[in-house]
Amino acid sequence: SQQGEEDPQALSIQEGENATMNCSYKTSINNLQWYRQNSGRGLVHLILIRSNEREKHSGRLRVTLDTSKKSSSLLITASRAADTASYFCATVSGSARQLTFGSGTQLTVLP
Amino acid sequence: EAQVTQNPRYLITVTGKKLTVTCSQNMNHEYMSWYRQDPGLGLRQIYYSMNVEVTDKGDVPEGYKVSRKEKRNFPLILESPSPNQTSLYFCASSSPGQGADTQYFGPGTRLTVL
Repeated sequence: SQQGEEDPQALSIQEGENATMNCSYKTSINNLQWYRQNSGRGLVHLILIRSNEREKHSGRLRVTLDTSKKSSSLLITASRAADTASYFCATVSGSARQLTFGSGTQLTVLP
Repeated sequence: EAQVTQNPRYLITVTGKKLTVTCSQNMNHEYMSWYRQDPGLGLRQIYYSMNVEVTDKGDVPEGYKVSRKEKRNFPLILESPSPNQTSLYFCASSSPGQGADTQYFGPGTRLTVL
């Protein structure tokens, strides 16, 4: 079953603009992670935010987590053409620590 | 170099012909898992393993088998592949015991079942 649902499904912006992607989930979590996937390739971990954290930064990435709304957002600032990829949120919950992925947001950054 | 490797990367086969996709990691990770990725459905977990000889079903285990005889290897077995198992498969590993849930993904195996 899918835990996270990303919004929007697709996003197209100009280079230099900021990109915001949202993720909603259904059950309580241990942490929430964001991954990036270039077309047809393996996923690369971007950032992890724990359930007791509200905001986290890593370079041009900013992640927020609102556990009361069961939602998270990923902000990529000053986007570059190389940021073009699919972005997935994934939640970890339970003692088995399974990672459950959403369906992803396809980001296109136009040069 | 820390990595997860999968073989083969591409495979075309026919219905009913048993196949195995290998997965190996060199990071001494306890946790390994298999996902399949289909358009519009994101990644869905097939099986996972918390450690050697410990495996459990994910969300879509039907038609698949796994084994974990060694810590580094976690092969995915399709005893009798069918066309609905045509998909992109990813193996991943992590080390939850160290407090890190970050999963490291292999490059993927694109499987076509005719």
